[in-house]
Amino acid sequence: ETGVTQTPRHLVMGMTNKKSLKCEQHLGHNAMYWYKQSAKKPLELMFVYNFKEQTENNSVPSRFSPECPNSSHLFLHLHTLQPEDSALYLCASSQPQGRGYTFGSGTRLTVV
Amino acid sequence: DAKTTQPPSMDCAEGRAANLPCNHSTISGNEYVYWYRQIHSQGPQYIIHGLKNNETNEMASLIITEDRKSSTLILPHATLRDTAVYYCIVLGGGNQGGKLIFGQGTELSVKP
Repeated sequence: ETGVTQTPRHLVMGMTNKKSLKCEQHLGHNAMYWYKQSAKKPLELMFVYNFKEQTENNSVPSRFSPECPNSSHLFLHLHTLQPEDSALYLCASSQPQGRGYTFGSGTRLTVV
Repeated sequence: DAKTTQPPSMDCAEGRAANLPCNHSTISGNEYVYWYRQIHSQGPQYIIHGLKNNETNEMASLIITEDRKSSTLILPHATLRDTAVYYCIVLGGGNQGGKLIFGQGTELSVKP
């Protein structure tokens, strides 16, 4: 365990479903991140939260909706996804100014 | 943040040292060099980082050239479990901090 916990580890969903990915950290970090990793591609940064406020959205489609209720929890709400959204979704947290990044084990998402 | 260039793949014999190079010729004075690795379908794992001095920890050594335009990650006695993609990332230091932006990395294969 890295200190960043992601659930579920695997998720299969239909294109009309609504689901949520959860990330939790108790490392005392104040920044949290969502990354997407498609097959054979580098990790792509999706969203950045600092002190619960979204500070970056890298042109992510609105069918991905993040939520950060507090500095320890981060969610990614999913609705009407496409098969090309199938990927490994990774959560990370860090200290302020990006120090001490720690990643979770990821959620393997398959959209059918 | 400065871009980095790494070879796409390398092989190493088990028990030998693995030397992974990285070029970061546009690095700024306050930017750090970070190394992460990602074992297949897991979250990236922090290895080591440095500013200008060579660094060593229980996992690896980091050698940074005097002009800071390149660095080498050394795994002194590679094992099969070191097979992974290794990422060299330049990140702002001081109060800038920054976001971890991943490139293609080097796919290291440790062979028996």
